[in-house]
Amino acid sequence: AQKVTQAQTEISVVEKEDVTLDCVYETRDTTYYLFWYKQPPSGELVFLIRRNSFDEQNEISGRYSWNFQKSTSSFNFTITASQVVDSAVYFCALKAYSSASKIIFGSGTRLSIRP
Amino acid sequence: KAGVTQTPRYLIKTRGQQVTLSCSPISGHRSVSWYQQTPGQGLQFLFEYFSETQRNKGNFPGRFSGRQFSNSRSEMNVSTLELGDSALYLCASSGTEGDTQYFGPGTRLTVL
Repeated sequence: AQKVTQAQTEISVVEKEDVTLDCVYETRDTTYYLFWYKQPPSGELVFLIRRNSFDEQNEISGRYSWNFQKSTSSFNFTITASQVVDSAVYFCALKAYSSASKIIFGSGTRLSIRP
Repeated sequence: KAGVTQTPRYLIKTRGQQVTLSCSPISGHRSVSWYQQTPGQGLQFLFEYFSETQRNKGNFPGRFSGRQFSNSRSEMNVSTLELGDSALYLCASSGTEGDTQYFGPGTRLTVL
């Protein structure tokens, strides 16, 4: 069975602080894909990043960075110098190769950035 | 390219009625998946269609059904609505089975 755990339900920080969103996953598949999506108040899920199980390289995109560690089954997301516009619910998700297109989502972390 | 579109954006129905939601995928995408999002259960996979065939199905009762047309547009239908069906229904499209899914804005269904 596949599972994604986002232990942090809500996080509130002051603007310009760095913040890390944790994600731990479980799967028996050796081939799988990990994702992060952002859901602003409008409701649409916005794709942020995808990582394949065979590619453990960390990634940086502007103020966003992702740390993928297979040894701890974690795929954490860090926002550097947070901004009010980063306020949203962030979802970590897993798609195992054996599950075709079915994505398993974590419960989400609500991030509030205070000015 | 235009993104995934969903219609209608908002719906209000009463118990016992049925509803049909529509999703138009990104041009060229042949896979369409549907998800239900509620505060209590979070995001849950409903089903996935590829080339007019249902390829994958989540754990939802038979009242939830869907179909896909030759132009890849998809519809989902919920019959005999229950209060618990109130949710945000999200549609996502992707190019192939392993590709990233891109989501539409969702249809917010309220059942009274």
